[in-house]
Amino acid sequence: GQQLNQSPQSMFIQEGEDVSMNCTSSSIFNTWLWYKQDPGEGPVLLIALYKAGELTSNGRLTAQFGITRKDSFLNISASIPSDVGIYFCAGPHTGANSKLTFGKGITLSVRP
Amino acid sequence: DAGITQSPRYKITETGRQVTLMCHQTWSHSYMFWYRQDLGHGLRLIYYSAAADITDKGEVPDGYVVSRSKTENFPLTLESATRSQTSVYFCASSKSGGSYEQYFGPGTRLTVT
Repeated sequence: GQQLNQSPQSMFIQEGEDVSMNCTSSSIFNTWLWYKQDPGEGPVLLIALYKAGELTSNGRLTAQFGITRKDSFLNISASIPSDVGIYFCAGPHTGANSKLTFGKGITLSVRP
Repeated sequence: DAGITQSPRYKITETGRQVTLMCHQTWSHSYMFWYRQDLGHGLRLIYYSAAADITDKGEVPDGYVVSRSKTENFPLTLESATRSQTSVYFCASSKSGGSYEQYFGPGTRLTVT
């Protein structure tokens, strides 16, 4: 079945640094979604991408829909302590019905 | 605007007991979903619903039952809880088909002893 690959599992950065994470698949996706999950909370949608090559920003976050449609990237600039959390990528599941396939997520830690 | 809410937020139950987790959304979204989140497995879909009275199995449906008599509510029932069902459960909703943006509730942390 479809799989979304996110690695590494964990990232550790210093406050103020930029960080980039990516999500890859062996299948083509027509939509890419990025979510963030704070500790003890539900995932929150950060950015949605609908077109190959699309670059979308949300504050300090920028995400890109890869040209091959098999990958997507999320960049966080000038990280701050509240950026800590788990970042998931997601894409439509084969067969529609609005189901999503999720990556396993990347846990981001920010050292003050 | 309440959005999507789940209750209870925390629940401890014993093996063999029936327990129901509630999910309520105020957006009139057509689609609703139940996920469980476990370390090492990420988010796994249990059941989903395209509309009232339409439900379908996800990736890990065994041991769970759902119903959807009203658009805004999507309860998840564990008929006879097992320790392997200890997990964090998330409900989510999205607009009608073609919109993949799902919006999640705050989660219910369930412990089965």
